[in-house]
Amino acid sequence: GAGVSQSPSNKVTEKGKDVELRCDPISGHTALYWYRQRLGQGLEFLIYFQGNSAPDKSGLPSDRFSAERTGESVSTLTIQRTQQEDSAVYLCASSFTQGPLTGELFFGEGSRLTVL
Amino acid sequence: AQSVTQLDSQVPVFEEAPVELRCNYSSSVSVYLFWYVQYPNQGLQLLLKYLSGSTLVKGINGFEAEFNKSQTSFHLRKPSVHISDTAEYFCAVIKTSGSRLTFGEGTQLTVNP
Repeated sequence: GAGVSQSPSNKVTEKGKDVELRCDPISGHTALYWYRQRLGQGLEFLIYFQGNSAPDKSGLPSDRFSAERTGESVSTLTIQRTQQEDSAVYLCASSFTQGPLTGELFFGEGSRLTVL
Repeated sequence: AQSVTQLDSQVPVFEEAPVELRCNYSSSVSVYLFWYVQYPNQGLQLLLKYLSGSTLVKGINGFEAEFNKSQTSFHLRKPSVHISDTAEYFCAVIKTSGSRLTFGEGTQLTVNP
């Protein structure tokens, strides 16, 4: 498609379950980002991919969170043993990474996670 | 590390009134600056950006922003707002050598008839 696609758009899960969130970036975008947006708060950086490697994963809040990217395309964010504080909208974005184009991110509509 | 402060969490205005959404940043190195907008139930989209050159930058939908290096500010303005401008607006900064965009906490602009 033309834009960044995320699935599922909504996910309700029980505390302690694992969840997987998927992101399909814009074709040709080498950089891919995951951000978290809690209700009423700003965007919190989680992890950045350049190609299939993650040079910056300093934003992952705990070892329950992991992410991977394959084929310089699709990325999956996995949250194990979900907690109620994980409830948020998880946003994926992609971009080119050459010079001033860095920072011009194209966002998906997000995956809203609710942990009961 | 760089940081962004958006001074107003909520800005209510009447239709056709002017508006200014304030953004201050902190960084020890050169940065690029951005404003993103998030309309209800949509993803974020780029409104405008400052990379270099003229400190007054124009974006989509009649918005503009002015980069003020001495005051480390990048305030967003529109001379006359419409109901359709109701949205959350995010200021963001990235080091010119960096790869991570840091966002402010957002300003909810509500335009009332």
